[in-house]
Amino acid sequence: KQEVTQIPAALSVPEGENLVLNCSFTDSAIYNLQWFRQDPGKGLTSLLLIQSSQREQTSGRLNASLDKSSGRSTLYIAASQPGDSATYLCAVKGNTGKLIFGQGTTLQVKP
Amino acid sequence: SAVISQKPSRDICQRGTSLTIQCQVDSQVTMMFWYRQQPGQSLTLIATANQGSEATYESGFVIDKFPISRPNLTFSTLTVSNMSPEDSSIYLCSVEIVVNTEAFFGQGTRLTVV
Repeated sequence: KQEVTQIPAALSVPEGENLVLNCSFTDSAIYNLQWFRQDPGKGLTSLLLIQSSQREQTSGRLNASLDKSSGRSTLYIAASQPGDSATYLCAVKGNTGKLIFGQGTTLQVKP
Repeated sequence: SAVISQKPSRDICQRGTSLTIQCQVDSQVTMMFWYRQQPGQSLTLIATANQGSEATYESGFVIDKFPISRPNLTFSTLTVSNMSPEDSSIYLCSVEIVVNTEAFFGQGTRLTVV
């Protein structure tokens, strides 16, 4: 059974810092891994999708990496801004066709 | 990408009543899913909505409690039946344009049962 873990559960940083969010999964047989952002009480916004054959994806200040063999992904946020404050969710799709979510990392960027 | 309109965005309901949530997509999609997010928790898949046939439910979720319809490739509904305070959650619709590709989510329906 696939399990997804995100560390840390919460993170508070001053504006301008570069930061890394971690995601680990137990079964390396995946189709893809997706990072989402969720603002309080809202839906999910897709940030980056990494296919199983890819090593990383970049969008603006965000860079996500995938190491399937070790069951790890990282989301790197450069030059953080207060507007980046949100919960970041990692989700893995395996051969069941279902997305399995981690518990999320709640990020606060202080001005 | 896909733009998803989910209605209502929030509701406060009396226990014992039912609420139907609508999910409308701006383009035809292959896959549609319904998730529940309980307070302070991550997302749990309720079911996969299948066009023209019965939804496929996950363990712990049953059709009598969460009936789902999907009449075409752009629309689905989830009903939360005979509600209790434990049903208070955010309910989210998700789609994939093509199977096993990027998932898109609606803005969610925040349900409070009193």
